[in-house]
Amino acid sequence: DQQVKQNSPSLSVQEGRISILNCDYTNSMFDYFLWYKKYPAEGPTFLISISSIKDKNEDGRFTVFLNKSAKHLSLHIVPSQPGDSAVYFCAENPFYFGTGTSLTVIP
Amino acid sequence: DAMVIQNPRYQVTQFGKPVTLSCSQTLNHNVMYWYQQKSSQAPKLLFHYYDKDFNNEADTPDNFQSRRPNTSFCFLDIRSPGLGDAAMYLCATSGGQGTDTQYFGPGTRLTVL
Repeated sequence: DQQVKQNSPSLSVQEGRISILNCDYTNSMFDYFLWYKKYPAEGPTFLISISSIKDKNEDGRFTVFLNKSAKHLSLHIVPSQPGDSAVYFCAENPFYFGTGTSLTVIP
Repeated sequence: DAMVIQNPRYQVTQFGKPVTLSCSQTLNHNVMYWYQQKSSQAPKLLFHYYDKDFNNEADTPDNFQSRRPNTSFCFLDIRSPGLGDAAMYLCATSGGQGTDTQYFGPGTRLTVL
């Protein structure tokens, strides 16, 4: 059973607009989530995290929101840039990863 | 500067022929992880070492073994690779605290003929 789910395999966004990537999880005991970014031929790299004691964490253009009652988190990228084009993984560190969402930012 | 190095980047083996993938790190991290990622699937944790303590995930096949001879190196041994073991194998490290970030290597793409 997939404990962390990313239901959108891909997303395309115009440069300058907001990108919203979504992630759902099943276990209410999960308490620490991370987003990773992965370019082709490279390993995932850490992007941003959030603890369950918060509902929002912001780092520059990247904001992660956590809705514990809905068991849902989302990553917002504003404004989106072409260099943001990559696969984004949501994870409940370190055990459960989502299947990833491939983001394409169109110039 | 590479911090988590995986060799080789591409490995081809024959059905049933043992293969070893290697991972090294320059971060002096306590924890090293091995993940298997098949096409369009999530990375799946196989096992991890906290220092010398080995932690095997419950559903990791017995065909997969690991060794960590020292802090810097960790090996993944596949004793008798099957066609279903073809995947990307990712090594990662972390400092060992619950909220530590993981640092991933670039992965080894295993092909089984």
